Amino acid sequence: DAKTTQPNSMESNEEEPVHLPCNHSTISGTDYIHWYRQLPSQGPEYVIHGLTSNVNNRMASLAIAEDRKSSTLILHRATLRDAAVYYCILRDGDSSYKLIFGSGTRLLVRP
Amino acid sequence: NAGVTQTPKFHILKIGQSMTLQCTQDMNHNYMYWYRQDPGMGLKLIYYSVGAGITDKGEVPNGYNVSRSTTEDFPLRLELAAPSQTSVYFCASSYDREDSPLHFGNGTRLTVT
Repeated sequence: DAKTTQPNSMESNEEEPVHLPCNHSTISGTDYIHWYRQLPSQGPEYVIHGLTSNVNNRMASLAIAEDRKSSTLILHRATLRDAAVYYCILRDGDSSYKLIFGSGTRLLVRP
Repeated sequence: NAGVTQTPKFHILKIGQSMTLQCTQDMNHNYMYWYRQDPGMGLKLIYYSVGAGITDKGEVPNGYNVSRSTTEDFPLRLELAAPSQTSVYFCASSYDREDSPLHFGNGTRLTVT
């Protein structure tokens, strides 16, 4: 299974943008990049996903490097509610059923 | 549309007892998953199912069993509970496509003493 590497933790100030990096150097051509977040005492929730092009939705933006070996989740204006653990995972077309989560990045947002 | 429903929310089990964690989804998803999350750690995949009648082991299957007799339900059974199985258990489901997001339940917090 292709693996992802994320920093253990990051800090941000409220109202400022946050860029959460993820390395996935062994990504294959059919792997989709998914991001989830887990708020304290809750189950993970889907944030965004992409294959090759940058993606935007109401929660965040996903910037994917041209060689697809890394990606960045962008929160445009962090709020206190965005304090969570963010997981970057790969979901491939050959075994899309088997999803392995890493340790994720714990985001701290300062008021 | 309830999504993924897990019961119970909390449970205390004595060492050696058995119990079943229930998970049901109403989205007609083929894929279902069971994860466990120990305090301060990430999620570990216990078992998954790609459809009714089909199950397979994940990263940490020992001490657990699953069944998938219907599309909607994916119960997780703990036999001879041990303190090491104290954890929060999350059930999830998705469509069978690589661009399909996972939908998670709210979890079952299990303590084995």
